[in-house]
Parts: sequence; C-alpha cells; structure tokens
Amino acid sequence: QTVVTQEPSLTVSPGETVTLTCASSSGAVTSGYYPNWFQQKPGQPPRALIHSTTQKHSWTPARFSGSLLGGKAALTLSGVQPEDEAEYYCLLHYAGAYVFGTGTKVTVL
Amino acid sequence: QVQLQESGPGLVKPSQTLSLTCGVSGGSISSGGYYWSWVRQPPGKGLEWIGYIYYGGNTFYNPSLKSRVIISVDTSKNQFSLKMKSVTAADTAVYYCVRHRYYYENNDHYNSFDTWGQGTLVTVSS
Repeated sequence: QTVVTQEPSLTVSPGETVTLTCASSSGAVTSGYYPNWFQQKPGQPPRALIHSTTQKHSWTPARFSGSLLGGKAALTLSGVQPEDEAEYYCLLHYAGAYVFGTGTKVTVL
Repeated sequence: QVQLQESGPGLVKPSQTLSLTCGVSGGSISSGGYYWSWVRQPPGKGLEWIGYIYYGGNTFYNPSLKSRVIISVDTSKNQFSLKMKSVTAADTAVYYCVRHRYYYENNDHYNSFDTWGQGTLVTVSS
C-alpha cells in the first residue's frame, strides 16, 4: 500500500517561516492527488487548512499556504505564531482511496 | 453550518462488531457533491482513512480494511453508519466522521475535506 511520508518534527521560532512536505511512495505528488492539509491540537479533531493543493478554507489564516515543491506537496507557515504549535497531516487522493501522511509535529520555541 | 456527531458504544469486545453512527445537522446528507467518510486515530498515533459513502449508496473503502468494513447511509434520518467486524485491540481508536466534496468550478476540479465531527473513542477490550 502507498505510504505518504512527512517530516516527523520541526522546531521553529515565532515569526519565522517553516515549510512542511508530503511525499508519496508511488512517485511525485501532483495536483491530481488533491493534497489536503489539516492541523490537529491535543484532544481536538483535525481542522482543515488547505484543499486541492493551494486552496484555503474561509477560516484558514492568511499565513498558511499550500503548494507543490520538488515533487511533494508543501504547507508553508509564514510568520509562525505560538498558537501554530500542533500536529499537521496531509491527505492524498489515489484513484478513489485516500491516504493520510505520517504527520509532522511543529514546535514553536 | 453543517455539524457532524458520532455516536455508539465506547467499549466493544474482541471478535465482535463495532457499530457507529454519524448524525448530520444543519444540512442534508443528500446534498449533491458531498461524500461522507470515516477516519480513525489510535491513541497517540496518526490518522487512517477507513472509507466513504455517497448519499446514493456508492462506497469506497481502504483496501486494508475492506474485508471487515461496511458503511451505509440512511437519508431519512440524515445519518450514515460504520460497521467493522471481527475487531481486535488494534482497532481501539478515536473514530471521526468527516464531510468532503469533489467538485468542478471555474474550469478546475477540487477535492475538499472540510467538516469533522468531534470524534468518539472506541476501546476494544474484554
């Protein structure tokens, strides 16, 4: 089965920019995989941030953006805030089925 | 504003069948273009997509779970359900119901997971 891999953890200082990536074991990620990104804080359900590679939801803060980068899906946080400390998951679409990424723990120090 | 709420037993014995329901409020489950999924998360671990259903009854399952899972919809009650048979301790997880949409707009296709339920913890133990 396809494995979707993310960085296990990243540490960033407030105000800095950090990019998370999402790689597929089946090859380069393209827009046809419709990458979605979610933020999850402890004890809460995931919250949708980005869909279809680059599209923000109405509630998504402007500092979050999605893209494709070097054959991977990417989530960039520009000007990180303390409240951005959370686990982040990507989700890819494979001909009907969906696979979540392994998750990235972002720590803001 | 659509809201989803999971319900069902919090404890299931090994080898038995796990049954959960997701109630949809603030909108109709029969709204065209929306799909309804189940996702689970074992304690301290990552997310796993289980499968989805369209209001017309079409389903698609995670290949690794397909032999044990059935997702159904009851449009009269505005809800959809998950049944997972022959459960083991490895099926202990928080189970979420999720709404997503695949649509065509402005000459492009979009696939958006937007609304999640709060989740319900199901423990498999004797």
